Amino acid sequence: AQSVTQLDSQVPVFEEAPVELRCNYSSSVSVYLFWYVQYPNQGLQLLLKYLSGSTLVKGINGFEAEFNKSQTSFHLRKPSVHISDTAEYFCAVSVKGAQKLVFGQGTRLTINP
Amino acid sequence: GAGVSQSPRYKVTKRGQDVALRCDPISGHVSLYWYRQALGQGPEFLTYFNYEAQQDKSGLPNDRFSAERPEGSISTLTIQRTEQRDSAMYRCASSLVANRDSGGNTIYFGEGSWLTVV
Repeated sequence: AQSVTQLDSQVPVFEEAPVELRCNYSSSVSVYLFWYVQYPNQGLQLLLKYLSGSTLVKGINGFEAEFNKSQTSFHLRKPSVHISDTAEYFCAVSVKGAQKLVFGQGTRLTINP
Repeated sequence: GAGVSQSPRYKVTKRGQDVALRCDPISGHVSLYWYRQALGQGPEFLTYFNYEAQQDKSGLPNDRFSAERPEGSISTLTIQRTEQRDSAMYRCASSLVANRDSGGNTIYFGEGSWLTVV
């Protein structure tokens, strides 16, 4: 079975500062990794995903994430955040042939002016 | 439709009543999923369909929960004899294809149905 741990439930940062949201996973088989974002009163939206190949994945809205197999991590980063990035961010994992995502508990990102 | 549509968006029901939540996936999407999300938690898998066939219902918590997708499009999640612990957001999602490598497919989520059992 797979599991996902998001190490921070809340992350406050100032506008234009860099941010890293941490995600670690556990799995005995190879995984696919995802970051989803939920803006207030909206559904979950895919930010980026890692399937194979380059370990650095670029997504929408200037976000990127790096897959580190040895550390079993998939941390999300953005070099300069904006007020509009205020949202809840979810890391998720799936495995080949299994059509379901296992999510972490989420990290609430709050941007202060 | 343009996105995954769920109804009702908000439902308050009395304990013991049955509830039906509806999901209309993105047109042409083969796979349809149901997740449940409690406050402060991430979404938790309930069940999914490829076309009209229910492929995995391992996440349904007990036999009060059931789901169907009779024509391979719209799906209904039914909770019988609701209990307060059933209060949560119920999310529907869909993806385009179902194949050997489906684990990497992008899954598109609806806005969810908030269920409150009083």
